[in-house]
Amino acid sequence: DAGVTQSPTHLIKTRGQQVTLRCSPKSGHDTVSWYQQALGQGPQFIFQYYEEEERQRGNFPDRFSGHQFPNYSSELNVNALLLGDSALYLCASSFSGRGNTGELFFGEGSRLTVL
Amino acid sequence: EDQVTQSPEALRLQEGESSSLNCSYTVSGLRGLFWYRQDPGKGPEFLFTLYSAGEEKEKERLKATLTKKESFLHITAPKPEDSATYLCAVRAFSSGSARQLTFGSGTQLTVLP
Repeated sequence: DAGVTQSPTHLIKTRGQQVTLRCSPKSGHDTVSWYQQALGQGPQFIFQYYEEEERQRGNFPDRFSGHQFPNYSSELNVNALLLGDSALYLCASSFSGRGNTGELFFGEGSRLTVL
Repeated sequence: EDQVTQSPEALRLQEGESSSLNCSYTVSGLRGLFWYRQDPGKGPEFLFTLYSAGEEKEKERLKATLTKKESFLHITAPKPEDSATYLCAVRAFSSGSARQLTFGSGTQLTVLP
């Protein structure tokens, strides 16, 4: 049973560029959340996708956008990159149906460095 | 605003030396408190969920407890492989259907052989 998979694992961009990160949820999960984790900090909620729509959003600017596909996989897009966007981007999947326990299962993350 | 504070920021123990990690929280209606373990460069790994004050859960050398204002992660006779960052997170009723987590900054645990 494959867990949450993310790609790419590492990438380097320059200021002003755009980046797309990808996530495939754990089998049986239908909900994908994205978190940003700066070095030495805990993860911060960016947004969550369910039924191909953004269900809730954290305190992040519109430069951060996402998408969920019919197979439940998801993308995170960041435009006009800033140095402060350098972080580990984590995808977490969960099941939103009846009987769900609310536990999040995280991927290994995509390490973004902005130069 | 929901807040989670973890202490200490870093903890070094000798193998076999038991200790506790603290997680203090302020939340408008606790829907769940979560403990995760995170190894360097990896994603968080789920450990426990606690829902109400007085609840306890155990897994190998780890035991998590919950009061109305804080949670403790007790580590009994730790081994070097227990070295990791331990993250605490809360889910509030105000998070609605999204049920997002608010994390603390973590406690970096090092267990020396």
